[in-house]
Amino acid sequence: DGGITQSPKYLFRKEGQNVTLSCEQNLNHDAMYWYRQDPGQGLRLIYYSQIVNDFQKGDIAEGYSVSREKKESFPLTVTSAQKNPTAFYLCASRNGQERCGKEKLFFGSGTQLSVL
Amino acid sequence: DAKTTQPNSMESNEEEPVHLPCNHSTISGTDYIHWYRQLPSQGPEYVIHGLTSNVNNRMASLAIAEDRKSSTLILHRATLRDAAVYYCILRGFSGNTGKLIFGQGTTLQVKP
Repeated sequence: DGGITQSPKYLFRKEGQNVTLSCEQNLNHDAMYWYRQDPGQGLRLIYYSQIVNDFQKGDIAEGYSVSREKKESFPLTVTSAQKNPTAFYLCASRNGQERCGKEKLFFGSGTQLSVL
Repeated sequence: DAKTTQPNSMESNEEEPVHLPCNHSTISGTDYIHWYRQLPSQGPEYVIHGLTSNVNNRMASLAIAEDRKSSTLILHRATLRDAAVYYCILRGFSGNTGKLIFGQGTTLQVKP
C-alpha cells in the first residue's frame, strides 16, 4: 500500500543531542513537508521541499535542519539549538502535478519527541 | 492565505448528523475550501474540498454559502470513530508551495 512512513513513533532526546526523524513516502510525490504540533494547538510548518535537492524554511525553521537527497525521503534533524523540542512531528507529501488550490496533503502517523 | 474561524469544540450524539461550521469572510475568488480531520495521536487526513458548489464524497458533504464567506462540513451519521479535530483551511491558487495553514480546528466529541 502506498503511504508515508514516519519513524520512530516515540523518540527521546538528551540535552545537547541532535536527533533525526525519518520520513519515507512511496507515493511518488514531489513535495514533502514537516510540521510541528504542540498539545492542543494546530500545525506549524518547519520546512518543505518541492523537489529533490531543494528545500525552503517554513514558519519555525530555527533549530531544525533537513535534507532531500532522494524523492522518497525527507529526514528532519532536531538540533541542540532547538531549546523546546518536545512536540508531535508530522511529515506530509503532495502530488506536485495537482492544480494549485486543489492539492491534497497526505500525512504520516507522526513522531512524538520528548526531552529527557 | 485567508484566515478561517471555527468553534473550539462541538458535541454530537452517535448516529445523528453533525454540522461543523467555518467562517472565512476574507476568502478570495480563487481560494479552495479544504477540510481535514485528525484522530487522536494520528496525522491529519483529507476529508473534502470545494470551490463554489456543494460537494459530496463517501466521508462527508461540504455545503458552501452562496457568498462563499462560510461553509459547513456535514457528517450525515456521526460514529464514535468520527471523534477528532476538524480543520477548515483555505488554499489559494497563487503560488505552488502547497503549504496549508492549520488553525486550532474544532474538537468534535461523539457521545454514545
